[in-house]
Amino acid sequence: DTGVSQDPRHKITKRGQNVTFRCDPISEHNRLYWYRQTLGQGPEFLTYFQNEAQLEKSRLLSDRFSAERPKGSFSTLEIQRTEQGDSAMYLCASSLGVGAKEPQHFGDGTRLSIL
Amino acid sequence: AQSVTQLDSQVPVFEEAPVELRCNYSSSVSVYLFWYVQYPNQGLQLLLKYLSGSTLVKGINGFEAEFNKSQTSFHLRKPSVHISDTAEYFCAVTYNTNAGKSTFGDGTTLTVKP
Repeated sequence: DTGVSQDPRHKITKRGQNVTFRCDPISEHNRLYWYRQTLGQGPEFLTYFQNEAQLEKSRLLSDRFSAERPKGSFSTLEIQRTEQGDSAMYLCASSLGVGAKEPQHFGDGTRLSIL
Repeated sequence: AQSVTQLDSQVPVFEEAPVELRCNYSSSVSVYLFWYVQYPNQGLQLLLKYLSGSTLVKGINGFEAEFNKSQTSFHLRKPSVHISDTAEYFCAVTYNTNAGKSTFGDGTTLTVKP
C-alpha cells in the first residue's frame, strides 16, 4: 500500500491561467473522490468516479472544472480560467468497494494559490 | 440537507488531560460515521469509524467515539492526550443512499499544551 499520491503539492498561478492536478489512487481501489478544502473548513465534495465512470458531480463544480479518470487508474482535475476563489487545497481520496461503508484514503493534497 | 456540526472550533487542553470533541449530524437515513485527523500540510488520516453494532468504537492512538442515534451524535474522546495529538480533527458522515460521498464538519483544532 503506497498510499494516495497527488502532484503537484503546491501550485501558484496567475488568475486566468489553466491548471491541472493529478491523483494516483491506491492501486486496487475502484473509487476515486475529489474534494476542495478552504481555510477553516472541512473538505467539500466535488466529484467521484467508480472505475472510469464519473458518477456524481457537485454543484460546486462549475463548467470551468473538469475531471477525468481514463482507464480507471489515475485521475486529473483541470481548472480553466482560474479565479481568486479557486484558491484552496484540492484533496483526492480513494476507496475500495461499491457501498458507503468504506473509509476513504486521502492524499496530501495540492494547494492552489491564485495571484 | 445533510450536515455535520462540530460544536467546538478550537479545544485547548493540557497534556495528559482528557478531551472530548463533539460532533452532531443530521439524519433521516442510515449513516456511517468517521473521525479523521489532519496534520499541517497533510491529507486526512482515518482515526475510527462506526458502521454498525457496538456504539462504542475504538480507533488508533487511543481515541474512541460513541455513537448515539437518539441524539444524532458521534463524540470523540481520549482519556489522556499528548502533545503529538495537536492537530485538526474532522467528523464525517456517509449516508447509506449516496454511495460513499462523505459530508464533513468544519473541523476542531485540538491544541495540547505542556
